[in-house]
Order: sequence, then structure tokens, then C-alpha cells
Amino acid sequence: EVQLVESGGGLVQPGGSLRLSCAASGFTFSNYWMHWVRQAPGKGLVWVSRINSDGSSTRYADSVKGRFTISRDNPKNTLYLQMNSLRAEDTAVYYCARGTGFGVLDIWGQGTMVTVSS
Amino acid sequence: DIVMTQSPDSLAVSLGERATINCKSSQSVLYSSNNKNYLAWYQQKPGQPPKLLIYWASTRESGVPDRFSGSGSGTDFTLTISSLQAEDVAVYSCQQYYGTPYTFGQGTKLEIK
Repeated sequence: EVQLVESGGGLVQPGGSLRLSCAASGFTFSNYWMHWVRQAPGKGLVWVSRINSDGSSTRYADSVKGRFTISRDNPKNTLYLQMNSLRAEDTAVYYCARGTGFGVLDIWGQGTMVTVSS
Repeated sequence: DIVMTQSPDSLAVSLGERATINCKSSQSVLYSSNNKNYLAWYQQKPGQPPKLLIYWASTRESGVPDRFSGSGSGTDFTLTISSLQAEDVAVYSCQQYYGTPYTFGQGTKLEIK
């Protein structure tokens, strides 16, 4: 079964850091571009970042550029999102998603909640 | 950034009736070299992650019922559910993947009348 499972979310103070992980299974992880998408409570979907299949190319939304870093470990079938200098507006459910090679997101994880609050 | 605007924000339709959701992009998402529209539709049920329904504006993802269809080109797109079923209650979002940052519409909440 193709599956993505996120972990690492939680409560963090403003200015703090958190690293999210996304464990992939059921497909050849190293063949796919991967993405992070977030959704604030009661709000719409917002694309955060993407990484190409070998990790050599990344892109970020302006709102997280310079604070978040996407990376991957292909032998471990795991995607990461390092989040630094967190702000209240980063509070959201963070989903990892598999990309089809363009920007179509065909498989999504269940999400992990990040709450930034003092 | 390409802004995606959906209408309406919410919609109530009777079971068995047609539901239509619109999505407009602030610039064309039609790539002239391959004549493809870089537009996808997702369904999100309460407490669940989004699910891909349609890509290239009109191609149904494998396993998606054929009552779901997508149409449009350039800047104006439509998702149609031909005969609403109870399990179709969800929020539907369009997404452009013409270029980064990929952007989503604000979502349309579909309910049963």
C-alpha cells in the first residue's frame, strides 16, 4: 500500500524550531518529487515547499523562505521539513504529498499538527 | 504569484442533482508548448487529507467515479459532479501547478440540500 506518514508536530513557542518527518512506503521514494503543504485551522491549503527526486533542487513559498528547509534521505525513504524561527502564523496541519513530476499531488499523508504559541 | 479564486464559497445541492464549482486563475495556466492546462482539483472530507480528483484540468485520477468531471482552459475552469451522492459532501479545491509557488483556491464547501 502506498503510504505517507508524518510525524514531529507539536506545540512550540514563537521563535522555536521543529523538524517534521514524512515516512514513505509502498513506492520507490527516490523516483518522486515531494512536497509539503499546510492548512491553518478552518482555512485553505497552502503549498510550502518541494524537493526534487535526488534532493538537488528545492523551492519554497515566500512566507517560509529562509526559515524552513526541506530535505530528504532516499535510503531511509524519508522526507523532512526543518522549521526555524516559528511564528504564530505557521500554526497549521502540515501534510507531505507525493508529486507526479509536475506539481500534481497524488498521494497525501494524514498530516501532523504544528501549534506555535506561548 | 498566480491567484486562484473559486466560486461559490459554499454550495448546497439536492441528492442526485448536478453540482458545479468554478475556479478562475489570475493568469493563464495553459502551457502553449504542450497545450495542457496545469490545473488540478482535490476533494477534502472532514478530518481527512485532500484527495486528488482531476489533473490537466480534465483527466480523472484512477478510481475517481465518472460523475466527477473537469473542464475549462486558460483561466476559467469548472468541476462538475453530475449526480450528487451523500459521500460527495466535502470541500473542493483547485490548484495551479503552472509554476511555483503552486497555489490553491480558497475551497468550496459542498453540502446536501
